[in-house]
Amino acid sequence: DAKTTQPNSMESNEEEPVHLPCNHSTISGTDYIHWYRQLPSQGPEYVIHGLTSNVNNRMASLAIAEDRKSSTLILHRATLRDAAVYYCILREGAQKLVFGQGTRLTINP
Amino acid sequence: NAGVTQTPKFRVLKTGQSMTLLCAQDMNHEYMYWYRQDPGMGLRLIHYSVGEGTTAKGEVPDGYNVSRLKKQNFLLGLESAAPSQTSVYFCASSLMQLSNQPQHFGDGTRLSIL
Repeated sequence: DAKTTQPNSMESNEEEPVHLPCNHSTISGTDYIHWYRQLPSQGPEYVIHGLTSNVNNRMASLAIAEDRKSSTLILHRATLRDAAVYYCILREGAQKLVFGQGTRLTINP
Repeated sequence: NAGVTQTPKFRVLKTGQSMTLLCAQDMNHEYMYWYRQDPGMGLRLIHYSVGEGTTAKGEVPDGYNVSRLKKQNFLLGLESAAPSQTSVYFCASSLMQLSNQPQHFGDGTRLSIL
């Protein structure tokens, strides 16, 4: 299984941008990069995904390195409600979302 | 829209008891999944289904059985509960078998085995 590496925790301030890094040096050409987040006492929530090009949606942006060995989830203006564990996942077909430890994001008021 | 609904939300069992967790989705999704999450850990896949009447093993299937008799429902059974099965159980569904399809999760069932 291709694996991802994320920092265990990060901290940011409210209304500032947040850049969450993810390394995936063994990514294959067909792996999509997915990001999910999990708020306290809730199930994971889909955030964004991409293959090669940078992606934007209403929640976040995903910047993918040219060699695809790393990516960065960007929250443009963090709010207290963005405090969660963020998971970077390489999607291997429909059967698997392989969750690692994720990054616990703390937002300071 | 309800999305993915799990029942019950909480349950306490004694060792050796059996129970069934129910997952229902109203999005007409083909694929459904059961995960477990232990404290401080990421989710691990127990079983999954690629369509009505089908099931397959995931990463940690031992001690669990599943059934998908109807497209909208995916049942997870514990025949003889063990303390090691104390966990939070999440159900998820996705539209089809493509790597770019997101999974939609329920809010979980918190299960304690005494």
